[in-house]
Amino acid sequence: NAGVMQNPRHLVRRRGQEARLRCSPMKGHSHVYWYRQLPEEGLKFMVYLQKENIIDESGMPKERFSAEFPKEGPSILRIQQVVRGDSAAYFCASSPPVQRPQETQYFGPGTRLLVL
Amino acid sequence: GNSVTQMEGPVTLSEEAFLTINCTYTATGYPSLFWYVQYPGEGLQLLLKATKADDKGSNKGFEATYRKETTSFHLEKGSVQVSDSAVYFCALILNSGYSTLTFGKGTMLLVSP
Repeated sequence: NAGVMQNPRHLVRRRGQEARLRCSPMKGHSHVYWYRQLPEEGLKFMVYLQKENIIDESGMPKERFSAEFPKEGPSILRIQQVVRGDSAAYFCASSPPVQRPQETQYFGPGTRLLVL
Repeated sequence: GNSVTQMEGPVTLSEEAFLTINCTYTATGYPSLFWYVQYPGEGLQLLLKATKADDKGSNKGFEATYRKETTSFHLEKGSVQVSDSAVYFCALILNSGYSTLTFGKGTMLLVSP
């Protein structure tokens, strides 16, 4: 069973461009979480999704950021009009459909976004 | 709200030395506690966890005991190896109701031969 996959692993964008980060959860997992890790900081929760639904987006910036997890295909984290402060590592995690899925998260290798 | 505080790194040790990484927490309810490890260029891997007071989580020679009276979950290993060099994150999640993982800032461990 392949682990959580994220691509690209590294992404360079210029200010004002769009960044699209992809996350393929483990097989059988229906819950996806996105986190952001700023330099020398811990992971900060951004958004929690189930198939086609956003469950919790309390950690997501109100502007420029959006996330989706369609019925088919990977989860996408989209950042429009990127700024230098968006430079960070973005991690995706997935969990199976268990009673408390948030307690059983498997993390991907992350996408390192650099905004020039 | 919920928060996790870890000792600042880097922690620099020689191989076979004893390791302690301190972690304390505040929580609005009763939490489960976790230690995750992040090797260079990789994502986080669950190292160990404990779900209630006085539980001891252990894995790969690492241990941590859930101390409710001191709100702590310190990570220990009796004899570290060079391959243990990584960043270690303490985290919590509440046991009831909806909750997300809350992470500490991480502690880098560097082990030299």
